[in-house]
Amino acid sequence: DADVTQTPRNRITKTGKRIMLECSQTKGHDRMYWYRQDPGLGLQLIYYSFDVKDINKGEISDGYSVSRQAQAKFSLSLESAIPNQTALYFCATSDFKGDRVGGELFFGEGSRLTVL
Amino acid sequence: GEDVEQSLFLSVREGDSSVINCTYTDSSSTYLYWYKQEPGAGLQLLTYIFSNMDMKQDQRLTVLLNKKDKHLSLRIADTQTGDSAIYFCAEIYGANNLFFGTGTRLTVIP
Repeated sequence: DADVTQTPRNRITKTGKRIMLECSQTKGHDRMYWYRQDPGLGLQLIYYSFDVKDINKGEISDGYSVSRQAQAKFSLSLESAIPNQTALYFCATSDFKGDRVGGELFFGEGSRLTVL
Repeated sequence: GEDVEQSLFLSVREGDSSVINCTYTDSSSTYLYWYKQEPGAGLQLLTYIFSNMDMKQDQRLTVLLNKKDKHLSLRIADTQTGDSAIYFCAEIYGANNLFFGTGTRLTVIP
């Protein structure tokens, strides 16, 4: 089983609809992240959480919200989806504590969202 | 703000060497990373280099770091078709978050 699991893997929705992407992890990591991938733009950080009580905005948080329900669960919501939110979304975890491989993120397989 | 730049595409013939380049902005980055994304999958850490190193070799992979020019490169020797993927360089910024480049799509021609 994957250490970082995202659901759904694919979703097509309509403009204005609310959509939630869920992420769960079995790695026991405190840090969780949501990234968005667009062709030619790399990955952009949407939100990140260093523990259950700590939520932080990333580079492109407008139009998104998150919830850290437990150490193992971090969900991303689009309250009113719009077409330019069509993208591939990745959840990731890390146990970054400043050690020598602290930049290692562990990614889920991605959730492809299409907003019509 | 942060900026990490890469060429979008690279094609090489099987057996040749591939060199993927990256320029970054934050001179205080302690580590720099290369991630690999295979089709339909998430990213996986390929290798990393500490900022006080000039070079790191790991089997077919060689990472070169030029701090003066803020230039990072990844060389893959004897490139195989299984190396076809998107390669991202990344630097640390802020609260120990990673800033990713645009990614370079490597295509290996048999």
